[in-house]
Amino acid sequence: EPEVTQTPSHQVTQMGQEVILRCVPISNHLYFYWYRQILGQKVEFLVSFYNNEISEKSEIFDDQFSVERPDGSNFTLKIRSTKLEDSAMYFCASKTGLTYNEQFFGPGTRLTVL
Amino acid sequence: KQEVTQIPAALSVPEGENLVLNCSFTDSAIYNLQWFRQDPGKGLTSLLLIQSSQREQTSGRLNASLDKSSGRSTLYIAASQPGDSATYLCAVRRDYGGSQGNLIFGKGTKLSVKP
Repeated sequence: EPEVTQTPSHQVTQMGQEVILRCVPISNHLYFYWYRQILGQKVEFLVSFYNNEISEKSEIFDDQFSVERPDGSNFTLKIRSTKLEDSAMYFCASKTGLTYNEQFFGPGTRLTVL
Repeated sequence: KQEVTQIPAALSVPEGENLVLNCSFTDSAIYNLQWFRQDPGKGLTSLLLIQSSQREQTSGRLNASLDKSSGRSTLYIAASQPGDSATYLCAVRRDYGGSQGNLIFGKGTKLSVKP
């Protein structure tokens, strides 16, 4: 069964460094999302992406964050200058073009900022 | 602003028991509601999706109901097994023009099924 994949599974970085989290959505999906979950907290929406542009973003998704679909398969989240509070599990999700369909989530990347 | 609450935060039951997990949301203008399972340190596995026009959905031993007007959903697990031990998350998708369907999550109910 097709699934969303994410790499790396765990990323450790120093504060102020740039990180890129990678996702490969399910191949026929058209909507892509990033969410994050700080340890012990709710899963929070960051950004949605459709037709090669951001369609919606939360207040968390500030200028330090960017997303890109550099080719036909990958979907990336870049954090330009990481802060301690960016430490979280980051989930990628994707959905077909049908508006009523469910979102499928990847296994997540655990980001630790030291 | 939509808020999703799940009660209880944690639940421990003996194997074989039937159980109900609760989810409530403050704004009834939802497009759909999705139940997920999350194992420790892992991703989210979608269990059931209920459209706003539906009252319930079933998958195996799981049954999810939705009462949109009262802002409630329940996940019923029949004949629980130790393998059902996980955190169960409820998420609603807002319903407004132009929304690409970002989900708003509850904090989850941590279920432990004892052998």
